[in-house]
Amino acid sequence: ETGVTQSPTHLIKTRGQQVTLRCSSQSGHNTVSWYQQALGQGPQFIFQYYREEENGRGNFPPRFSGLQFPNYSSELNVNALELDDSALYLCASSLDSATNEKLFFGSGTQLSVL
Amino acid sequence: SQKIEQNSEALNIQEGKTATLTCNYTNYSPAYLQWYRQDPGRGPVFLLLIRENEKEKRKERLKVTFDTTLKQSLFHITASQPADSATYLCALDTNTGGFKTIFGAGTRLFVKA
Repeated sequence: ETGVTQSPTHLIKTRGQQVTLRCSSQSGHNTVSWYQQALGQGPQFIFQYYREEENGRGNFPPRFSGLQFPNYSSELNVNALELDDSALYLCASSLDSATNEKLFFGSGTQLSVL
Repeated sequence: SQKIEQNSEALNIQEGKTATLTCNYTNYSPAYLQWYRQDPGRGPVFLLLIRENEKEKRKERLKVTFDTTLKQSLFHITASQPADSATYLCALDTNTGGFKTIFGAGTRLFVKA
């Protein structure tokens, strides 16, 4: 059973650029969620995908967008990067979109925006 | 508005003692509540889930209680060890604005040898 993997582990971008972060879900999981975690804060929910459709979204602007692929891997895209976008981005998968019992997290991508 | 509150101050305890962490919530009616552990630079790791009809759940040295009247969950680590030092997060599911799992800010626990 493979775990949740994210790439890259670290990334440095400049303000205004665009970034794509990638996630491979736990084997057999069809639901993926993305979170943003600033230093010293809890994970903030960005959105959730179930079978390639977004089925939940947090308070993030439209420049945060995502995709889920037929193999349940996922991408998070952020356009027009701002300094405040610097954070740890976490991907989590779960077995069933009807509940999020027991989320499995990746180790995250540390994004720095200069 | 919906809120999840955890002690923002770090908790420092001596090895062997029981650590008790608190999670309070408002404007939720969760079917269950989850606790996760997070080490620096890593993703959270699931520890325990307790349902609304369960008062208490145990797993080895961990114990969680859930009081839906007080809207509070307590997380206990008995016989704490330095390896228990980490940030502990509570999480609730909500269906407001689409389905999602929301996390508290977490409480940092330090266990001294």
